[in-house]
Amino acid sequence: AQRVTQPEKLLSVFKGAPVELKCNYSYSGSPELFWYVQYSRQRLQLLLRHISRESIKGFTADLNKGETSFHLKKPFAQEEDSAMYYCALSAGSGTYKYIFGTGTRLKVLA
Amino acid sequence: KAGVTQTPRYLIKTRGQQVTLSCSPISGHRSVSWYQQTPGQGLQFLFEYFSETQRNKGNFPGRFSGRQFSNSRSEMNVSTLELGDSALYLCASSRGGREQDTQYFGPGTRLTVL
Repeated sequence: AQRVTQPEKLLSVFKGAPVELKCNYSYSGSPELFWYVQYSRQRLQLLLRHISRESIKGFTADLNKGETSFHLKKPFAQEEDSAMYYCALSAGSGTYKYIFGTGTRLKVLA
Repeated sequence: KAGVTQTPRYLIKTRGQQVTLSCSPISGHRSVSWYQQTPGQGLQFLFEYFSETQRNKGNFPGRFSGRQFSNSRSEMNVSTLELGDSALYLCASSRGGREQDTQYFGPGTRLTVL
């Protein structure tokens, strides 16, 4: 079964410290993976996707097929990074079905 | 461009009633997906529509149904409401041509079942 696991419900780090939000997935094919973010009082929005290999707001994520992981990283956390982060998987192959993890709340402390 | 809109924003119903939620996608977007968001389960996929056709659905009982109109607006209906249906219901729209298209989310409809 397709599954996305985010093991941490809450992650607290100090400003300037490195951040790593963990995401592991279960899928036998070649998934499309995404990170979505929800800032306080805002809508859920796309942060980045693995296919683009981009860096958004200093965040990067590398797809590791061997470990079936797609961890989100940022070298120096900022207070404005405090938000809810969701890892998501699209099973592809014409399924148009998206599976989200349960989310990790990131708190960046001053 | 106007974002995804959802109406109503809040609903209170009692067990056994039915409810219809509406979602208007971004202009030009032909795909609409629906999700149920709860604190314990996160976002769970309900179904996805493209050009009035349901392309996939999640593992929800048949009480949950949806449809899409020719203008891409979508509705979802929940019949015989149960207490456990209390949740935030999100819809998201995308161009729909590719599965990696960005999904744009609405603000959600908060449903409370008493």
